[in-house]
Amino acid sequence: DTAVSQTPKYLVTQMGNDKSIKCEQNLGHDTMYWYKQDSKKFLKIMFSYNNKELIINETVPNRFSPKSPDKAHLNLHINSLELGDSAVYFCASTSLFGDPRGTQYFGPGTRLLVL
Amino acid sequence: EDQVTQSPEALRLQEGESSSLNCSYTVSGLRGLFWYRQDPGKGPEFLFTLYSAGEEKEKERLKATLTKKESFLHITAPKPEDSATYLCAVQPRQGKLTFGTGTRLQVTL
Repeated sequence: DTAVSQTPKYLVTQMGNDKSIKCEQNLGHDTMYWYKQDSKKFLKIMFSYNNKELIINETVPNRFSPKSPDKAHLNLHINSLELGDSAVYFCASTSLFGDPRGTQYFGPGTRLLVL
Repeated sequence: EDQVTQSPEALRLQEGESSSLNCSYTVSGLRGLFWYRQDPGKGPEFLFTLYSAGEEKEKERLKATLTKKESFLHITAPKPEDSATYLCAVQPRQGKLTFGTGTRLQVTL
């Protein structure tokens, strides 16, 4: 029944490690996003994919690499994790051409803690 | 650059005490203005989309309104279960969704 799902929900790891977060949506949307929510709860976009093509790439360190194997999935791989990467990462999706307003629906978030 | 400013930052109400949250925005061609509710430890939950000045949307105790410069989220006779952070965001015709920093609402008995 879940519309946008993310795994894992929690991720605790050491500095310097590489980790991945996965996202899947079953809404039939064509566009997916990764957002970062910092400790002050501010949501900021990182990447967006439309039909497996990167369309938004904000100023994000090269250590972050998104991958979209198909329209329903968007993964985020993070290399050489740093303390400042600790945050909550949200996946979202929308129907960019089907919804005139582009309403985005969010996943439950992945809480990343780098020690 | 698109900007969204929400006020107040935090609001404490007694059950039944109606109030309004404000979202002031500047955007280069509005495609949509969105209100989301976020509970602790959860993702933002979509509430409303507004597009035209003068537009209003209602859901239970919440009513969202829109002018060319701001949006209000009116909460009528709130209950403790309305306690959450309310986020406002604007989507331009071209470009990315920009969020405000939210209003943390606490409703007490």
